[in-house]
Amino acid sequence: EAQVTQNPRYLITVTGKKLTVTCSQNMNHEYMSWYRQDPGLGLRQIYYSMNVEVTDKGDVPEGYKVSRKEKRNFPLILESPSPNQTSLYFCASSLRIGGFANTGELFFGEGSRLTVL
Amino acid sequence: KNEVEQSPQNLTAQEGEFITINCSYSVGISALHWLQQHPGGGIVSLFMLSSGKKKHGRLIATINIQEKHSSLHITASHPRDSAVYICAVKGVDFGNEKLTFGTGTRLTIIP
Repeated sequence: EAQVTQNPRYLITVTGKKLTVTCSQNMNHEYMSWYRQDPGLGLRQIYYSMNVEVTDKGDVPEGYKVSRKEKRNFPLILESPSPNQTSLYFCASSLRIGGFANTGELFFGEGSRLTVL
Repeated sequence: KNEVEQSPQNLTAQEGEFITINCSYSVGISALHWLQQHPGGGIVSLFMLSSGKKKHGRLIATINIQEKHSSLHITASHPRDSAVYICAVKGVDFGNEKLTFGTGTRLTIIP
């Protein structure tokens, strides 16, 4: 079954304690991305990756790091979490995004709800 | 001002009604996505458009590139269509794969 898997789904942590949210996809997609969703602000892109070892900043990258060492995995790292990073996080993958072929369906993980105290 | 504006923000309708949700954007785009977020939080891709019109079951999505506007229509609406509908756009810049999202339209269908 085609899927994007995020872990953990729920996490409560304290300020400054490094954490990693994992994301894995089984569809051999080149494109992977991380988003955060906050009430009234909608979804905002944190980082994205077009392929292995190719990553780029989205609109809200501050306080986050990513890596893409393997095609299937795209972990999100919070080196020193702060309360303003309390949010619902989504990982997504796609074979293509944009362009003229009208392809590029986005596949989302189920979300990771993070609370930083 | 947001680059992507959706209207209405909230919509309540009776089962069976024809629903229209609008998305306007201010930048040149190469593609527009419509997404559905269920009450449980999961997000599903409905359509990706770069021109014209697409149909899937009771859902129809259209885009007018010149007017920078897209609509999502639901025919014969059903309570299971209750969800938040989100549009997202990708800019025309080559190599820029960022997506910018609208804040969503919350749709409630009453039986």
